[in-house]
Amino acid sequence: GQQVKQSSPSLTVQEGGISILNCDYENDMFDYFAWYKKYPDNSPTLLISVRSNVDKREDGRLTVFLNKSGKHFSLHITASQPEDTAVYLCAAEIYGNEKITFGAGTKLTIKP
Amino acid sequence: NSKVIQTPRYLVKGQGQKAKMRCIPEKGHPVVFWYQQNKNNEFKFLINFQNQEVLQQIDMTEKRFSAECPSNSPCSLEIQSSEAGDSALYLCASSPGLGNYEQYFGPGTRLTVL
Repeated sequence: GQQVKQSSPSLTVQEGGISILNCDYENDMFDYFAWYKKYPDNSPTLLISVRSNVDKREDGRLTVFLNKSGKHFSLHITASQPEDTAVYLCAAEIYGNEKITFGAGTKLTIKP
Repeated sequence: NSKVIQTPRYLVKGQGQKAKMRCIPEKGHPVVFWYQQNKNNEFKFLINFQNQEVLQQIDMTEKRFSAECPSNSPCSLEIQSSEAGDSALYLCASSPGLGNYEQYFGPGTRLTVL
C-alpha cells in the first residue's frame, strides 16, 4: 500500500488566501518530511523540509506542521499567488534508509 | 537551482528494445537516485548509488533494468527489453551524502514505449 498519501488530488484557493496541503503517512519510523513543488514538464524542486524533532518550521510564506502522533504533516502557504500554481509532492524518509517515499501529489491552483 | 543533467529529455522505443538514459549528478554529490514517475504522478524508487556502488534497488530493477554510476562518466539507467508499462518519466536525483536527506532532481527523461 501507499506509505505516504495525499488524499486531495487537487485544491483551488483564491489569490491572497492560505493554501493548506496535507499528507498522511503510515510508517512511524519516518523521521524526515519534505515538500516539493513540480511544474509540468519540470523536475520537482525541494521547497521545505523538517526533521521529526521539531513540529513546525517556517520559511517565508511557507510553514510545515508535523503531527507525529497523528502521522500527518502539512504545508501552509500564506498570501497565495498565481505563481504558486503547481503540483505539490510530500515526501518522507527514514534516517539511514536513503530512499525517499513520495505521495502522489496535490495540484494547487491559485485563482486571481 | 538544481544542476542535475539528464539526457535525453524524450525517448521513444518499441517493445523489446533497449532504452538507455543518462544522468550527471551535481558536482560533489556522491549519492544518486533513480525514480520512475507514472501516469498517476506516483514516484517509485528504482535504485540508488553511493559513488559507484549500488546501495539499494527494487526487484524490477534487479531483473530488467541495469544501472551504473562509473567514475568520471555519467550515471545510466538501461531497460534491457522495454515493455509498454515502462512508459513513464524517469527522474534522477543527487544528494550531498548519506544521511543528508536533500535531493536535487534533474529534468527527467520521458520514455514512451510503443
